[in-house]
Amino acid sequence: GAVVSQHPSWVICKSGTSVKIECRSLDFQATTMFWYRQFPKQSLMLMATSNEGSKATYEQGVEKDKFLINHASLTLSTLTVTSAHPEDSSFYICSARPTGERLQETQYFGPGTRLLVL
Amino acid sequence: AQSVAQPEDQVNVAEGNPLTVKCTYSVSGNPYLFWYVQYPNRGLQFLLKYITGDNLVKGSYGFEAEFNKSQTSFHLKKPSALVSDSALYFCAVRDGGYGQNFVFGPGTRLSVLP
Repeated sequence: GAVVSQHPSWVICKSGTSVKIECRSLDFQATTMFWYRQFPKQSLMLMATSNEGSKATYEQGVEKDKFLINHASLTLSTLTVTSAHPEDSSFYICSARPTGERLQETQYFGPGTRLLVL
Repeated sequence: AQSVAQPEDQVNVAEGNPLTVKCTYSVSGNPYLFWYVQYPNRGLQFLLKYITGDNLVKGSYGFEAEFNKSQTSFHLKKPSALVSDSALYFCAVRDGGYGQNFVFGPGTRLSVLP
């Protein structure tokens, strides 16, 4: 149980294009999902918190117009990297917290999406 | 503000020997502590957590961790390491009194040598 998927697992795109990454909770509902970014040999950095039916909350320094987040259902959140540039190349990981769980409960992570912008 | 430190970038251990991956934390309220493991090009897999109760927490794959409030530590341990345990390990903390976000440590790379 508690499986989170991400699609695509990897993507290569040209500079200036937009890329959409999907995060799905497969066997549970998630009111809250989180998007992280991980640079090589570094830890995860929280980018934004995505709440179903409302606007995402972005961490300081993260451009909300650059990284569009939509959490339209209890099982799906999407991250769109708009007008991607090479510096956006990274490993993007989402996580989901099951609805109804207390705040201290576990987040379940997706397998990650590797983005390479040429 | 909450923070997590993993003082060792790399831990090497021989197969069959016990392993310890260290983690210390700082939070304002009650700490909720987690360990995750990451294999190459993969997301994070949950190993174990401490919320309340017994200080010794047992998790997946034979791992355990001990919560030490006085030392603000939550070290990950395993009595007998396997080569397949080689991976990147992250400690994470959430402040029980404030907010809902995890803060991750920088990670410790564990290499188990055959």
